[in-house]
Amino acid sequence: DQQVKQNSPSLSVQEGRISILNCDYTNSMFDYFLWYKKYPAEGPTFLISISSIKDKNEDGRFTVFLNKSAKHLSLHIVPSQPGDSAVYFCAASAGSNTGKLIFGQGTTLQVKP
Amino acid sequence: NAGVTQTPKFQVLKTGQSMTLQCAQDMNHEYMSWYRQDPGMGLRLIHYSVGAGITDQGEVPNGYNVSRSTTEDFPLRLLSAAPSQTSVYFCASSYERRGIQYFGAGTRLSVL
Repeated sequence: DQQVKQNSPSLSVQEGRISILNCDYTNSMFDYFLWYKKYPAEGPTFLISISSIKDKNEDGRFTVFLNKSAKHLSLHIVPSQPGDSAVYFCAASAGSNTGKLIFGQGTTLQVKP
Repeated sequence: NAGVTQTPKFQVLKTGQSMTLQCAQDMNHEYMSWYRQDPGMGLRLIHYSVGAGITDQGEVPNGYNVSRSTTEDFPLRLLSAAPSQTSVYFCASSYERRGIQYFGAGTRLSVL
């Protein structure tokens, strides 16, 4: 049973436009969410996170929104750049006593020049 | 400035063979974990450790063993390789249990 789902395997946007990547979760105990970015032949790298006590977190061009009632989070990239082309994973964890991250399947973002 | 180092980068095994994937970190992180990445499945947690001498199972632990004798090293052992273990394996570490996890570059394993 997939507790964290990224239902769009791929997304293509034009350079300069907004990219919106979506993630849904089923476990109501999740209280900390992260986005990772992965280039081919490299390990994932941390991008941005959000705690369940917030509904928005910004870091430069990247903003994560959390809708707890809908169990949905999204990552907005504005403006999108060709270097943003990568696979994006959302991940979630529950409680402060474990470091277990549950990942979604990933969304491949292509930003066209 | 090594971070998390995984060896080997590539490995081909025959069914039934055993091997150890190495993971070392130089950041003095207490928390370490192993994931496997399969197409359409994302990253799935195999085993994790919250400190030297302490390990626990993740989502998909069957067929794998781990130990944590030092803070720096967290090897993953395949006891008897099966084709279903063909995957890309990532090791990660973090300073604390809820901290940002830093990943190695991965080991691509094929089991024939």
